[in-house]
Amino acid sequence: AQSVTQLGSHVSVSEGALVLLRCNYSSSVPPYLFWYVQYPNQGLQLLLKYTSAATLVKGINGFEAEFKKSETSFHLTKPSAHMRDAAEYFCAVSDGSSASKIIFGSGTRLSIRP
Amino acid sequence: SAVISQKPSRDICQRGTSLTIQCQVDSQVTMMFWYRQQPGQSLTLIATANQGSEATYESGFVIDKFPISRPNLTFSTLTVSNMSPEDSSIYLCSVAGVVGELFFGEGSRLTVL
Repeated sequence: AQSVTQLGSHVSVSEGALVLLRCNYSSSVPPYLFWYVQYPNQGLQLLLKYTSAATLVKGINGFEAEFKKSETSFHLTKPSAHMRDAAEYFCAVSDGSSASKIIFGSGTRLSIRP
Repeated sequence: SAVISQKPSRDICQRGTSLTIQCQVDSQVTMMFWYRQQPGQSLTLIATANQGSEATYESGFVIDKFPISRPNLTFSTLTVSNMSPEDSSIYLCSVAGVVGELFFGEGSRLTVL
């Protein structure tokens, strides 16, 4: 069985500050991991994905995430926050067998202070 | 990635009525997925729609409440039947990518009064 936990339902950072959104997973098989972003009144957009290749994954909009097997983590970071980054972020895990097996985290709402 | 269009983008409905949501994909896909996102919540898979066969529903969702059609490889509909205020949610259509990632439509925001 797989599960994913996002630590912190709401994160607030100042514009220009480091963004760190935390995600821990549980999986009995090598996982596939994803981060999605949902801007207000929009659907979900894939930010980045880890599929057992490089452990540091770069995504769109300057985001990246690092897969750490020893810590069962896949935290999302961005060096400098922009106002446009304000959104809901979802971490997700899959065993890779089927898209219907993707498990989503509860989400983290990112707010950016001017 | 696929381009997914959903209609309607939002609607306000009276309890007891039904609403059909349409999903159009710009390429042929084997499976289409329907998700529900209740206010302030994460995503829950309702069902997987395969062309030419009955949809596969997840635990807690039944065909009588959420009938799905899949007439061809680029189109699907989800109907929310006999609606109640608890059905107020965002309904999202999605398709899978090469490594099982999901691509989503813009969602259909339903409010039931």
